[in-house]
Amino acid sequence: DAGVIQSPRHEVTEMGQEVTLRCKPISGHDYLFWYRQTMMRGLELLIYFNNNVPIDDSGMPEDRFSAKMPNASFSTLKIQPSEPRDSAVYFCASSGTGSQPQHFGDGTRLSIL
Amino acid sequence: GENVEQHPSTLSVQEGDSAVIKCTYSDSASNYFPWYKQELGKRPQLIIDIRSNVGEKKDQRIAVTLNKTAKHFSLHITETQPEDSAVYFCAASIPNTGNQFYFGTGTSLTVIP
Repeated sequence: DAGVIQSPRHEVTEMGQEVTLRCKPISGHDYLFWYRQTMMRGLELLIYFNNNVPIDDSGMPEDRFSAKMPNASFSTLKIQPSEPRDSAVYFCASSGTGSQPQHFGDGTRLSIL
Repeated sequence: GENVEQHPSTLSVQEGDSAVIKCTYSDSASNYFPWYKQELGKRPQLIIDIRSNVGEKKDQRIAVTLNKTAKHFSLHITETQPEDSAVYFCAASIPNTGNQFYFGTGTSLTVIP
Protein backbone atom coordinates (compact mmCIF):
# COMPACT_ATOMS: atom_id res chain seq x y z
CA ASP A 1 0.00 0.00 0.00
CA ALA A 2 1.68 3.19 -1.21
CA GLY A 3 -0.53 5.46 0.85
CA VAL A 4 -1.97 8.74 -0.35
CA ILE A 5 0.36 10.37 -2.84
CA GLN A 6 0.49 14.12 -3.33
CA SER A 7 2.46 16.22 -5.76
CA PRO A 8 4.29 18.47 -5.82
CA ARG A 9 5.76 18.40 -2.29
CA HIS A 10 6.76 22.03 -2.52
CA GLU A 11 5.54 24.80 -4.79
CA VAL A 12 6.80 28.35 -4.92
CA THR A 13 5.18 30.68 -7.39
CA GLU A 14 4.37 34.30 -7.92
CA MET A 15 1.08 35.95 -7.15
CA GLY A 16 -1.40 35.69 -9.96
CA GLN A 17 -0.13 32.38 -11.28
CA GLU A 18 -2.26 29.26 -11.52
CA VAL A 19 -1.41 26.50 -9.06
CA THR A 20 -2.47 22.88 -9.43
CA LEU A 21 -2.10 20.39 -6.62
CA ARG A 22 -2.51 16.68 -7.26
CA CYS A 23 -3.59 13.71 -5.19
CA LYS A 24 -3.79 9.97 -5.67
CA PRO A 25 -5.90 8.31 -2.97
CA ILE A 26 -5.41 4.83 -1.57
CA SER A 27 -6.87 2.26 -3.93
CA GLY A 28 -10.34 1.17 -2.83
CA HIS A 29 -11.04 4.27 -0.78
CA ASP A 30 -14.19 6.02 -1.88
CA TYR A 31 -13.81 9.25 0.10
CA LEU A 32 -11.27 11.95 -0.70
CA PHE A 33 -10.71 15.09 1.34
CA TRP A 34 -8.73 18.29 0.71
CA TYR A 35 -7.49 20.24 3.75
CA ARG A 36 -5.53 23.42 4.23
CA GLN A 37 -3.32 23.89 7.29
CA THR A 38 -1.98 27.18 8.61
CA MET A 39 -0.74 28.29 12.01
CA MET A 40 -3.55 30.80 12.32
CA ARG A 41 -6.50 28.66 11.20
CA GLY A 42 -5.33 25.14 11.93
CA LEU A 43 -6.62 22.27 9.80
CA GLU A 44 -9.51 23.36 7.57
CA LEU A 45 -11.60 21.06 5.40
CA LEU A 46 -11.94 22.59 1.94
CA ILE A 47 -13.95 20.00 0.04
CA TYR A 48 -14.60 16.29 -0.02
CA PHE A 49 -15.68 13.75 -2.61
CA ASN A 50 -17.55 10.47 -2.41
CA ASN A 51 -17.18 8.12 -5.37
CA ASN A 52 -15.67 11.00 -7.38
CA VAL A 53 -18.65 13.30 -6.71
CA PRO A 54 -18.14 16.53 -4.72
CA ILE A 55 -20.30 16.33 -1.62
CA ASP A 56 -19.47 19.42 0.40
CA ASP A 57 -17.43 22.35 -0.88
CA SER A 58 -18.54 24.82 1.77
CA GLY A 59 -14.97 25.12 3.01
CA MET A 60 -13.61 26.37 -0.30
CA PRO A 61 -12.57 29.93 0.53
CA GLU A 62 -13.63 31.60 -2.71
CA ASP A 63 -14.16 31.16 -6.41
CA ARG A 64 -10.44 31.19 -7.06
CA PHE A 65 -10.37 27.65 -5.66
CA SER A 66 -11.71 24.66 -7.57
CA ALA A 67 -11.36 20.90 -7.20
CA LYS A 68 -12.05 17.97 -9.47
CA MET A 69 -11.97 14.22 -9.25
CA PRO A 70 -12.18 12.83 -12.78
CA ASN A 71 -11.71 9.23 -11.65
CA ALA A 72 -11.26 7.14 -8.52
CA SER A 73 -7.48 7.45 -8.53
CA PHE A 74 -6.89 11.14 -9.13
CA SER A 75 -7.96 14.52 -7.81
CA THR A 76 -6.77 18.09 -8.33
CA LEU A 77 -7.08 21.29 -6.35
CA LYS A 78 -6.56 24.40 -8.43
CA ILE A 79 -6.04 28.00 -7.38
CA GLN A 80 -6.38 30.65 -10.06
CA PRO A 81 -5.24 33.34 -9.61
CA SER A 82 -3.10 32.63 -6.57
CA GLU A 83 -2.55 35.18 -3.79
CA PRO A 84 0.03 35.37 -0.96
CA ARG A 85 -2.66 34.55 1.62
CA ASP A 86 -3.08 31.15 -0.05
CA SER A 87 0.32 30.15 1.28
CA ALA A 88 -0.20 27.07 3.45
CA VAL A 89 0.26 23.33 3.56
CA TYR A 90 -2.42 21.51 1.60
CA PHE A 91 -3.21 17.94 2.56
CA CYS A 92 -5.18 15.33 0.74
CA ALA A 93 -6.67 12.42 2.69
CA SER A 94 -8.71 9.37 1.76
CA SER A 95 -10.84 6.86 3.62
CA GLY A 96 -13.18 3.96 3.21
CA THR A 97 -16.88 4.07 4.03
CA GLY A 98 -18.48 4.01 7.45
CA SER A 99 -16.51 5.77 10.18
CA GLN A 100 -13.08 4.78 8.95
CA PRO A 101 -9.82 6.61 9.65
CA GLN A 102 -8.66 9.15 7.12
CA HIS A 103 -5.17 8.57 5.75
CA PHE A 104 -3.23 11.72 4.92
CA GLY A 105 -0.71 12.33 2.20
CA ASP A 106 2.57 14.11 2.88
CA GLY A 107 1.10 17.44 1.84
CA THR A 108 2.07 20.22 -0.55
CA ARG A 109 3.81 23.21 0.98
CA LEU A 110 2.65 26.16 -1.11
CA SER A 111 4.31 29.56 -1.03
CA ILE A 112 2.87 32.42 -3.06
CA LEU A 113 5.27 35.34 -3.39
CA GLY B 1 -22.76 20.77 12.78
CA GLU B 2 -20.37 19.20 15.25
CA ASN B 3 -18.04 21.38 17.36
CA VAL B 4 -14.94 19.85 18.93
CA GLU B 5 -12.96 21.70 21.57
CA GLN B 6 -9.50 20.56 22.63
CA HIS B 7 -7.45 21.42 25.73
CA PRO B 8 -4.78 22.33 26.54
CA SER B 9 -3.32 24.03 23.48
CA THR B 10 0.21 23.47 24.78
CA LEU B 11 1.54 20.92 27.24
CA SER B 12 5.04 20.35 28.60
CA VAL B 13 5.94 17.28 30.63
CA GLN B 14 9.11 15.73 31.93
CA GLU B 15 10.27 12.57 30.26
CA GLY B 16 8.67 9.59 31.96
CA ASP B 17 5.64 11.50 33.20
CA SER B 18 2.12 11.07 31.82
CA ALA B 19 0.32 13.45 29.46
CA VAL B 20 -3.43 13.89 29.13
CA ILE B 21 -5.25 15.76 26.38
CA LYS B 22 -8.99 16.34 26.57
CA CYS B 23 -11.62 16.96 23.92
CA THR B 24 -15.31 17.71 24.12
CA TYR B 25 -17.88 17.39 21.35
CA SER B 26 -21.32 18.86 20.91
CA ASP B 27 -23.31 16.38 18.80
CA SER B 28 -24.43 13.31 20.72
CA ALA B 29 -24.76 11.46 17.41
CA SER B 30 -20.97 11.38 16.95
CA ASN B 31 -19.80 7.78 17.10
CA TYR B 32 -16.17 7.67 15.98
CA PHE B 33 -13.25 9.48 17.60
CA PRO B 34 -9.76 9.26 16.08
CA TRP B 35 -6.57 10.83 17.40
CA TYR B 36 -3.79 12.02 15.12
CA LYS B 37 -0.16 12.85 15.81
CA GLN B 38 1.61 15.37 13.62
CA GLU B 39 5.35 15.80 13.91
CA LEU B 40 6.91 19.00 12.66
CA GLY B 41 6.80 19.16 8.88
CA LYS B 42 5.05 15.82 8.58
CA ARG B 43 1.55 14.61 7.85
CA PRO B 44 -1.05 13.84 10.53
CA GLN B 45 -0.92 10.14 11.38
CA LEU B 46 -3.59 8.12 13.15
CA ILE B 47 -2.34 6.83 16.48
CA ILE B 48 -5.50 5.45 18.07
CA ASP B 49 -9.26 5.62 17.63
CA ILE B 50 -12.35 4.68 19.60
CA ARG B 51 -15.94 4.01 18.69
CA SER B 52 -18.95 4.97 20.76
CA ASN B 53 -19.72 1.42 21.84
CA VAL B 54 -16.42 1.25 23.73
CA GLY B 55 -15.41 3.19 26.85
CA GLU B 56 -11.66 2.72 26.72
CA LYS B 57 -8.99 1.47 24.34
CA LYS B 58 -5.28 0.92 24.91
CA ASP B 59 -2.29 0.45 22.66
CA GLN B 60 0.96 0.11 24.58
CA ARG B 61 1.66 3.52 26.17
CA ILE B 62 -1.36 5.19 24.58
CA ALA B 63 -4.96 4.98 25.76
CA VAL B 64 -8.17 6.78 24.90
CA THR B 65 -11.24 7.06 27.10
CA LEU B 66 -14.74 8.09 26.07
CA ASN B 67 -17.55 9.43 28.23
CA LYS B 68 -20.65 9.58 26.04
CA THR B 69 -22.83 11.08 28.76
CA ALA B 70 -20.52 14.01 29.28
CA LYS B 71 -19.55 14.08 25.59
CA HIS B 72 -15.84 14.12 26.14
CA PHE B 73 -12.90 11.90 25.29
CA SER B 74 -9.28 11.96 26.34
CA LEU B 75 -5.88 10.79 25.16
CA HIS B 76 -3.51 9.42 27.77
CA ILE B 77 0.19 8.91 27.09
CA THR B 78 2.17 7.17 29.82
CA GLU B 79 5.94 7.03 30.29
CA THR B 80 6.42 9.86 27.82
CA GLN B 81 9.53 9.95 25.66
CA PRO B 82 11.09 12.81 23.67
CA GLU B 83 9.80 11.27 20.43
CA ASP B 84 6.25 11.80 21.72
CA SER B 85 6.81 15.54 21.18
CA ALA B 86 4.37 16.59 18.44
CA VAL B 87 1.00 18.21 17.84
CA TYR B 88 -1.95 15.96 18.65
CA PHE B 89 -5.40 16.41 17.11
CA CYS B 90 -8.64 14.86 18.22
CA ALA B 91 -11.62 14.49 15.90
CA ALA B 92 -15.22 13.40 15.93
CA SER B 93 -17.32 11.90 13.16
CA ILE B 94 -21.09 11.72 12.84
CA PRO B 95 -22.49 8.65 11.06
CA ASN B 96 -24.11 9.10 7.67
CA THR B 97 -22.36 12.41 7.06
CA GLY B 98 -19.77 11.20 4.59
CA ASN B 99 -17.08 10.28 7.11
CA GLN B 100 -16.34 13.98 7.59
CA PHE B 101 -14.08 14.63 10.58
CA TYR B 102 -14.51 17.60 12.88
CA PHE B 103 -11.04 18.32 14.23
CA GLY B 104 -9.97 19.95 17.46
CA THR B 105 -7.50 22.82 17.31
CA GLY B 106 -4.55 20.69 18.38
CA THR B 107 -2.28 20.30 21.41
CA SER B 108 1.43 20.91 21.12
CA LEU B 109 3.13 18.40 23.43
CA THR B 110 6.73 18.87 24.46
CA VAL B 111 8.51 16.12 26.39
CA ILE B 112 11.52 17.51 28.22
CA PRO B 113 14.43 15.06 28.48
